[in-house]
Amino acid sequence: GENVEQHPSTLSVQEGDSAVIKCTYSDSASNYFPWYKQELGKGPQLIIDIRSNVGEKKDQRIAVTLNKTAKHFSLHITETQPEDSAVYFCAASFTNAGKSTFGDGTTLTVKP
Amino acid sequence: NAGVTQTPKFQVLKTGQSMTLQCAQDMNHNSMYWYRQDPGMGLRLIYYSASEGTTDKGEVPNGYNVSRLNKREFSLRLESAAPSQTSVYFCASRGAQSTDTQYFGPGTRLTVL
Repeated sequence: GENVEQHPSTLSVQEGDSAVIKCTYSDSASNYFPWYKQELGKGPQLIIDIRSNVGEKKDQRIAVTLNKTAKHFSLHITETQPEDSAVYFCAASFTNAGKSTFGDGTTLTVKP
Repeated sequence: NAGVTQTPKFQVLKTGQSMTLQCAQDMNHNSMYWYRQDPGMGLRLIYYSASEGTTDKGEVPNGYNVSRLNKREFSLRLESAAPSQTSVYFCASRGAQSTDTQYFGPGTRLTVL
């Protein structure tokens, strides 16, 4: 089955700096890669996703890049703010799989 | 629009007791999921239901059973709770396509003594 590895497990940055979280996946059939943000005491929420026919996607301060050849994808957050502090999860799935495989999560702390 | 709701929010059980976690979604989604989240281990899939009337095992199904009662509701049952089942449980739902967004409920924090 699919295996997703996520790094780093914890990340601390100063407000205004950029943060990068990386994930690798094992199944070359995977074609959908969402990123979720989980705030304390809440369920994960989708913040951005990318499909395998696209190399990069941006939404304001958040971007995701995908390298299908290397089987890795990354989340980039620019101009970080304290409210970006949360746990971030990557995931991978493929068409008709019915389920996604999640990384173990990255705890991001943005210091004011 | 309530999205995905879960009950209860918190529960404490003694070893050997049974209970059912309830989940409902109002988005007319086909697929529903149960995950458990333990510190440092991310989200692990327990069971899922790709459509009404079907259920499949995920990564960690032992000790659990599920019922897809109808399109809206998907319950998770612990027949004989064990301390190893202490965790936060999340229900999620998704539309018909694997590339549709998964929506998560607020979670149930379960402690087994």
